[in-house]
Amino acid sequence: KQEVTQIPAALSVPEGENLVLNCSFTDSAIYNLQWFRQDPGKGLTSLLLIQSSQREQTSGRLNASLDKSSGRSTLYIAASQPGDSATYLCAVWGNTDKLIFGTGTRLQVFP
Amino acid sequence: DGGITQSPKYLFRKEGQNVTLSCEQNLNHDAMYWYRQDPGQGLRLIYYSQIVNDFQKGDIAEGYSVSREKKESFPLTVTSAQKNPTAFYLCASSIGFVNSPLHFGNGTRLTVT
Repeated sequence: KQEVTQIPAALSVPEGENLVLNCSFTDSAIYNLQWFRQDPGKGLTSLLLIQSSQREQTSGRLNASLDKSSGRSTLYIAASQPGDSATYLCAVWGNTDKLIFGTGTRLQVFP
Repeated sequence: DGGITQSPKYLFRKEGQNVTLSCEQNLNHDAMYWYRQDPGQGLRLIYYSQIVNDFQKGDIAEGYSVSREKKESFPLTVTSAQKNPTAFYLCASSIGFVNSPLHFGNGTRLTVT
């Protein structure tokens, strides 16, 4: 059974820092891995989708990497800003007909 | 603007009543999904639909029902059989199945007392 874990559960950093969020999954047989952002009381916003054949994807200050064999993905946020404060969730699409979500990392960036 | 609209944002019901949550999308997406989010837990899939007039149970379908009569609409009914219905409900859609990013609505917070 696929399980997705995100560490740390919460992170607080000063503005301007580069930071890394981690996501691990137990079954490497995946089609893709997706990163989302969720603001309090809101829905999820898709950030990046990495296909199983890809190693990384970039969008602006965000870079996501995928190491399928070790069951890990990282989301790198460069030059963090207070507006980046949110919960970040990763999810994997494996052999079952659904995305399996982690419980998220709650990020706070303070000025 | 294209997107997914969930209504209402907040919903209050008495125990024993059925309630229907609305989800409409104008993205022309084929696939639609309903998730439930509880504090400290990841999103859990309730139902999904890959195409009009077809839908499948997710991990926690008991006590819920859906319909997909139109491509744009995927309403979720929370029945009185759902033992713990108070939660944040999220609807999502994707252009295709599996290898397409999911787009989410802003959710409906249901409180049952």
